[in-house]
Amino acid sequence: EIVLTQSPATLSLSPGERATLSCRASQSVSSYLAWYQQKPGQAPRLLIHDASNRATGIPARFSGSGSGTDFTLTISSLEPEDFAVYYCQQRNNWPPLFTFGPGTKVDIK
Amino acid sequence: QITLKESGPTLVKPTQTLTLTCTFSGFSLSTSGVGVGWIRQPPGKALEWIALIYWDDDKRYNPSLNSRLTISKDTSNKQAVLTMTNVDPADTGTYYCAAVVTTDWFHPWGQGTLVTVSS
Repeated sequence: EIVLTQSPATLSLSPGERATLSCRASQSVSSYLAWYQQKPGQAPRLLIHDASNRATGIPARFSGSGSGTDFTLTISSLEPEDFAVYYCQQRNNWPPLFTFGPGTKVDIK
Repeated sequence: QITLKESGPTLVKPTQTLTLTCTFSGFSLSTSGVGVGWIRQPPGKALEWIALIYWDDDKRYNPSLNSRLTISKDTSNKQAVLTMTNVDPADTGTYYCAAVVTTDWFHPWGQGTLVTVSS
């Protein structure tokens, strides 16, 4: 089973600052990694898929990078609506199985 | 526009069977490559993938829950159904269904339904 770890657990930043979130896989997942954003009381929303592709309608300030075991989600300049929990997720190519990381909370400093 | 909505009981007793239904619109579960997944989230905790069913009736389960799960689809009624047997208070949480359509990832998601397991 592939395990995902995310760091830091909490990131305290101010609006306008740059956020860098990390996701590490216990073994290579190639580029089969996605990032989701979840705000309190809401369902998660897909931000990035296949490591670096923004989902439809996602602002350009969100970017993803990495491959293999190390991945990064970057928010170039935090907007007030970006304070939320972010999860990474991997999928095995075959058989298709899915795991989520424990999440990183981005809160207001 | 793709939408999904979960429905089912809000309270289930331990050892009982939980049945949840995902009713969707905007896509067909008979289209090649399409799937519907279930994901849950205990209160204050992280997301956990549960199961996924594809257009060709291929079914995938979280290995840690496999023995208790059954996922099925009703293509004509645009529904995907999840059954979980022998529930425990640890199964309490919000259960989401999500589409696998335009990408191979969960997008979009339903609003979720909170299920409490308690006697």
